[in-house]
Amino acid sequence: AQKITQTQPGMFVQEKEAVTLDCTYDTSDPSYGLFWYKQPSSGEMIFLIYQGSYDQQNATEGRYSLNFQKARKSANLVISASQLGDSAMYFCAMRENTGRRALTFGSGTRLQVQP
Amino acid sequence: DVKVTQSSRYLVKRTGEKVFLECVQDMDHENMFWYRQDPGLGLRLIYFSYDVKMKEKGDIPEGYSVSREKKERFSLILESASTNQTSMYLCASMDSYTREQFFGPGTRLTVL
Repeated sequence: AQKITQTQPGMFVQEKEAVTLDCTYDTSDPSYGLFWYKQPSSGEMIFLIYQGSYDQQNATEGRYSLNFQKARKSANLVISASQLGDSAMYFCAMRENTGRRALTFGSGTRLQVQP
Repeated sequence: DVKVTQSSRYLVKRTGEKVFLECVQDMDHENMFWYRQDPGLGLRLIYFSYDVKMKEKGDIPEGYSVSREKKERFSLILESASTNQTSMYLCASMDSYTREQFFGPGTRLTVL
């Protein structure tokens, strides 16, 4: 069964606007972590933000915030005030803390920021 | 800063060749991973290693093997390359305390 689902293959956003990238996950492990990575056209994976399953507050890192809705098993990434440099692939990933150490990734969303 | 390096950014090989992809990390991480990235499929785990000489299969190990003789180095081996192994290969290492994974720049392998 697919554990991480990103239903938006591609998204467009105007510069300076906010955008939400969707991510839903499936796990029976009560302890897990959720990650978002950015992959520019150069190929490197850049860590953006992390949310632990027991964290009480939604994670924020600068212009990035994670809208964590545990009951709905969703972990959407919100990028505020989009910039042209935000154009990239974005991957949601999960690690189950009692399972294997590796990350399970979604299929990604390609974000294009338009001037 | 954690640094994960991969031996090549681009590689072109012929069907049947033995291919070595090298990954080196400089932060003394115990856990290292090899992923394969294909369009529409995200990243899929090939193998991982949690210590020297220790390895475990990931989700798509067929056609691959790995070697971890030293803590800082994790090698992915394609014993007999095939065209369906044309892909982007990403290596990562993980901080055991924060559990954050740090990725190398990737190797884009083309098998002709």
